[in-house]
Amino acid sequence: GQQLNQSPQSMFIQEGEDVSMNCTSSSIFNTWLWYKQDPGEGPVLLIALYKAGELTSNGRLTAQFGITRKDSFLNISASIPSDVGIYFCAGQRGGGADGLTFGKGTHLIIQP
Amino acid sequence: KAGVTQTPRYLIKTRGQQVTLSCSPISGHRSVSWYQQTPGQGLQFLFEYFSETQRNKGNFPGRFSGRQFSNSRSEMNVSTLELGDSALYLCASSLTTTASGANVLTFGAGSRLTVL
Repeated sequence: GQQLNQSPQSMFIQEGEDVSMNCTSSSIFNTWLWYKQDPGEGPVLLIALYKAGELTSNGRLTAQFGITRKDSFLNISASIPSDVGIYFCAGQRGGGADGLTFGKGTHLIIQP
Repeated sequence: KAGVTQTPRYLIKTRGQQVTLSCSPISGHRSVSWYQQTPGQGLQFLFEYFSETQRNKGNFPGRFSGRQFSNSRSEMNVSTLELGDSALYLCASSLTTTASGANVLTFGAGSRLTVL
């Protein structure tokens, strides 16, 4: 099935730094979602975006729905140790006939 | 309220066997979706059930099947297991179908299947 192109694949950063990751697609999506997965757990929803151009924040997290509807980015400001994990973008086309399409994830590692 | 519960959490099977995984959605959620997660392919959509009916299906062979009961609990079955079926199988629930635009899926912790 189709995959979203998520980058970077992994990030090694210092605590306190800002983080930026993005997803691109050759297809249009009507909804963009960002999830975080910790070891041994299922993905947890961080931010949902429903409208092109929409910019939404959730605490230190900010995500945007690209105006072309083919991309989205997630920023994390002032990273802390508990931000460690794998971040996934997910998109859904209209009607949801094929569920969510996920990116392959960005593995965030924070060095104290 | 309780989250999405998946059982068993871990299991080991051999090639050719079949396996049944169970998922209890959040109380009040009527839609259950299943995803397969592997290191190589990432998260891939298997199928979605709503009101005991399969609403959507991903690109997986017929060996993968599922069902939903009247209490919204769901099971998925994989027959004639292959080595490549080793994966984390994730169940997610939502209030309504994803087609309605209510895309807030809440995932369970998953069932990790190892096929030897």
